[in-house]
Amino acid sequence: EVQLVESGGGLVQPGRSLKLSCAASGFTFSDYNMAWVRQAPKKGLEWVATISYDGSSTYYRDSVKGRFTISRDNAKSTLYLQMDSLRSEDTATYYCARHGGYYYDGYSYWYFDFWGPGTMVTVSS
Amino acid sequence: DIQMTQSPTSLAASVGESVTITCLASEDIYGSLVWYQQKPGKSPQLLIYGATILEDGIPSRFSGSGSDTQYSLKINSLQPEDFASYYCQNGLSTPYTFGAGTKLELK
Repeated sequence: EVQLVESGGGLVQPGRSLKLSCAASGFTFSDYNMAWVRQAPKKGLEWVATISYDGSSTYYRDSVKGRFTISRDNAKSTLYLQMDSLRSEDTATYYCARHGGYYYDGYSYWYFDFWGPGTMVTVSS
Repeated sequence: DIQMTQSPTSLAASVGESVTITCLASEDIYGSLVWYQQKPGKSPQLLIYGATILEDGIPSRFSGSGSDTQYSLKINSLQPEDFASYYCQNGLSTPYTFGAGTKLELK
């Protein structure tokens, strides 16, 4: 059974840092791209970042570029999100998600097929 | 960035009814459209990817259709467990943008 469990959330002051972790089990972690998706309270879903299966490629939404770093340790089956220079607008539940997807006829078909329960990050003074 | 416009924002229906939720992309996404269901306090669950492909374990009363920029999620014969929020997502390119969501409520 695929399991993703996030940890590391909490209350942090603006401008400070926080590191989230996601422990994966039930599948071969090193075979899959992984992502972080967030959801502000009472709001919709927002993709944050993606990392390739081997860690060689990373992708970020513009609002977190230069502040957040996604990484992984395939030996430990763990995904990370280092969040620096946090802002109030980063307040959200952060979900770890496994990427499913394929290429067909020259186009990409990416989706998130398993999600963790989420960890809450609150940025406030 | 590809914008995803989802409608309606909310929808009230009864058990047994059928409903349709639509998603409009700001540009052609070549069928790379994903649908999720999210229940209060829970993480999202994948329903459909590639616009029409039902994820394993998802009941056949859920179906997806569409192409180019226009997509739909149809739920036939609503069950009590279907009352939840639904989101579409662009799966073609980063940033993987989501629609704002549709809250399906019991009438």
